[in-house]
Amino acid sequence: EDQVTQSPEALRLQEGESSSLNCSYTVSGLRGLFWYRQDPGKGPEFLFTLYSAGEEKEKERLKATLTKKESFLHITAPKPEDSATYLCAVQNDDYKLSFGAGTTVTVRA
Amino acid sequence: DTEVTQTPKHLVMGMTNKKSLKCEQHMGHRAMYWYKQKAKKPPELMFVYSYEKLSINESVPSRFSPECPNSSLLNLHLHALQPEDSALYLCASSQLDNQPQHFGDGTRLSIL
Repeated sequence: EDQVTQSPEALRLQEGESSSLNCSYTVSGLRGLFWYRQDPGKGPEFLFTLYSAGEEKEKERLKATLTKKESFLHITAPKPEDSATYLCAVQNDDYKLSFGAGTTVTVRA
Repeated sequence: DTEVTQTPKHLVMGMTNKKSLKCEQHMGHRAMYWYKQKAKKPPELMFVYSYEKLSINESVPSRFSPECPNSSLLNLHLHALQPEDSALYLCASSQLDNQPQHFGDGTRLSIL
């Protein structure tokens, strides 16, 4: 069975304090790894797709990287509006998507 | 604003009621999904329609019944739900099976 583990569960940052979120996974044939952001009462918002080890994607203050066993989401100089729950999901070779439990990030001004 | 639209945003129903959740996307995607999300938990896949062919999560009770009238619309019919079915129900769509899924903002369902 595919497993996705995200750490830490919660992260409190001061504005401008960079940090990283971890997503470790075991999957039967990785088709893709996806990062989402979810705000309270909203659906997940797509951020990045990573398909192969060594791949990196960037968007504003966010950068996602992928190895054969884990992915990192780096937040550089975060702002309060970056506060959200960040979800990692892996897609296996049957195209089934499995989500991690998420990391809730709080950025204080 | 999301490109996947779900209605209603909130729904309160009794255990004997029949209701339907609706989802619509205009991105030309050929796969659509229903997920259930409990508070502080990740989304759990319920159903997938890919090229209008249904795939079912065997653990989903029969009181949930999906319908895909066309490639842009997805319904979830609800009947005789239980209090534990209270959750956020999310619809998503994707261009192809291995492309990112785009989510609506969900229907918040409460069962009395």
